Formats: sequence, C-alpha cells, structure tokens
Amino acid sequence: AQSVTQLDSQVPVFEEAPVELRCNYSSSVSVYLFWYVQYPNQGLQLLLKYLSGSTLVKGINGFEAEFNKSQTSFHLRKPSVHISDTAEYFCAVTLGGRDDKIIFGKGTRLHILP
Amino acid sequence: EAGVTQFPSHSVIEKGQTVTLRCDPISGHDNLYWYRRVMGKEIKFLLHFVKESKQDESGMPNNRFLAERTGGTYSTLKVQPAELEDSGVYFCASSPGSLHRGVRNEQYFGPGTRLTVT
Repeated sequence: AQSVTQLDSQVPVFEEAPVELRCNYSSSVSVYLFWYVQYPNQGLQLLLKYLSGSTLVKGINGFEAEFNKSQTSFHLRKPSVHISDTAEYFCAVTLGGRDDKIIFGKGTRLHILP
Repeated sequence: EAGVTQFPSHSVIEKGQTVTLRCDPISGHDNLYWYRRVMGKEIKFLLHFVKESKQDESGMPNNRFLAERTGGTYSTLKVQPAELEDSGVYFCASSPGSLHRGVRNEQYFGPGTRLTVT
C-alpha cells in the first residue's frame, strides 16, 4: 500500500526567508507525486506535480519540488516566502490511470512570521 | 467558469441525526470524488464516480454513508445516522474524463463542508 509522510506538522519561517517542506512516500510501484495547497477558507489547489522526466518540478507562486527516487522524497521549496504563502500544504501520491484516488499526507501548516 | 461548489459550508448536527452534503462539479467533468479529513489526520479518499456509476467506493467507512450521483451531474453524500467520529471536513473534487500521460487530469477541489456532530 502507498503512504505519504510529512514530517513537520507546522513550520514557522520569517518573511523573505527560504523554506523547505519535507515529504517522504512509500510505495512498491511507481507513483505520481503532487503538492497541494489550501489557503484559509479555500479549497485545495494543485501547486505542482511530478509525472516523469526532470526530477526538478516548478509550480505556481515560485514553489518547486525535487523528486528523489533513492530517498523516496519529494520535498517542496521556495527561496523567499511571502505573507501570502500562509497556508496548509499537502504532499500526495496517486498510482494514476484508473486507480487515481489521491493519497495525502497529514499536511504542513506554513506560518510566515513578519 | 465556475469551480467545484459544495453545500453547506458548515453543518452542526446531533448524534443520530441525518445530514446530506451536496457537491456540484465543474460542468462537463465526468469524474467526481469525495474525500474526508478528520481532525488531525490526513485527507482520505471515500469514493469515485464516473458519470453516474461508482467506480471505486473502497474508502467508504461503513453503511451509514450513502453517495449518489443521479444523472451524472451533482452528487450527494448522506450520513445516516451520524456519529461523533463522522465530524470532519468533507471535500469534493472533479476532473475531466481523459487521461494525460497515464494520469487522469487534475482533480479540482471544492472548499469543503465542515461537519460537526455533537
């Protein structure tokens, strides 16, 4: 069975500082990897996804993530955060194809400090 | 283009009562999904409709939950009778019918319905 682990439930970071949100997954088969974001009082929004090809994936709002197969990780990074990045971030996997239900991690709340 | 909408945004009911949640997917999307997030835990898949048919209902917790999608448009999720452990946020998502590089197109999520059972 597939699973996703987000090691940090909350991450405080000062505005304009870099941030990394960690994600590790477990699967015996190939998976597709995603990061979703939920801003306050809004639905989940896709931030970026890795399907194949280049292991460095760029997403919206200046975020990027790197797929590392040997470490089964898909950490999310941003070089300089803004107050508007305050949100909860979810790492997720799917097998794709017909069995495409999304398996989520528990989420990481990003707190931007002024 | 309107996104996925869910109604109500919040619902507070007593244990033993019935509640019906509604999801309106993006127009033209064949796939509709229900997910649930219980407090402090991860968002979990409940079920997947393709048009009006249940493709996968492996995540439905028990027979107190009934999902329907009559006519392949909007969907309802009924909880009867509600229990305390049903409290959480229920998300709906939809996606078009085609596959892209082996993955179904992006799932678009609604804002969720927060259900509180007291």
